[in-house]
Amino acid sequence: AQSVTQPDIHITVSEGASLELRCNYSYGATPYLFWYVQSPGQGLQLLLKYFSGDTLVQGIKGFEAEFKRSQSSFNLRKPSVHWSDAAEYFCAVGEDTGFQKLVFGTGTRLLVSP
Amino acid sequence: SQTIHQWPATLVQPVGSPLSLECTVEGTSNPNLYWYRQAAGRGLQLLFYSVGIGQISSEVPQNLSASRPQDRQFILSSKKLLLSDSGFYLCAWTVTGELFFGEGSRLTVL
Repeated sequence: AQSVTQPDIHITVSEGASLELRCNYSYGATPYLFWYVQSPGQGLQLLLKYFSGDTLVQGIKGFEAEFKRSQSSFNLRKPSVHWSDAAEYFCAVGEDTGFQKLVFGTGTRLLVSP
Repeated sequence: SQTIHQWPATLVQPVGSPLSLECTVEGTSNPNLYWYRQAAGRGLQLLFYSVGIGQISSEVPQNLSASRPQDRQFILSSKKLLLSDSGFYLCAWTVTGELFFGEGSRLTVL
């Protein structure tokens, strides 16, 4: 069965600084990979996804993520963080079976300092 | 465009009372539907999913149940709530692979 690890529970970044959130997955076949963002008390919004092809994927709000099969990682990056990026970020992995049953990591809470 | 509606948004219920959370999707047909639960400080736990009307798969044995009486309607129920049922419940749908989530229902069991 697939699993996802987000090793950082909290991360604090200064506004304007770069950001990298880590995600490692375990899955025996080609994974479908996702990053979602959740503001307090809200649902989850899809930032980006990887199904196949180019391993560097661009998402909304200036985010990007890179799939590295050799490291079983799918880290999320942003070159310059804005205060509005403060939220909780979830990495998820799905099966390449045509039916999505996503397994989520425990999330990383991003705090942005002035 | 597709939208997903989930209600109620907030619910406070006593232990032993029944529960009904409802989710409907508009603008798409034959979606896969999901119920996830998010407990405080934890990730999302898949509770139920459905690939069609009347077809429900349970991921975690518990006192909750789900039903899909119509193509775009997904209901989460309980006959008797437990304290441990407190949490944030999220409905989601997909037809192309990525999940789209509702705004969530926060359940507090006292």
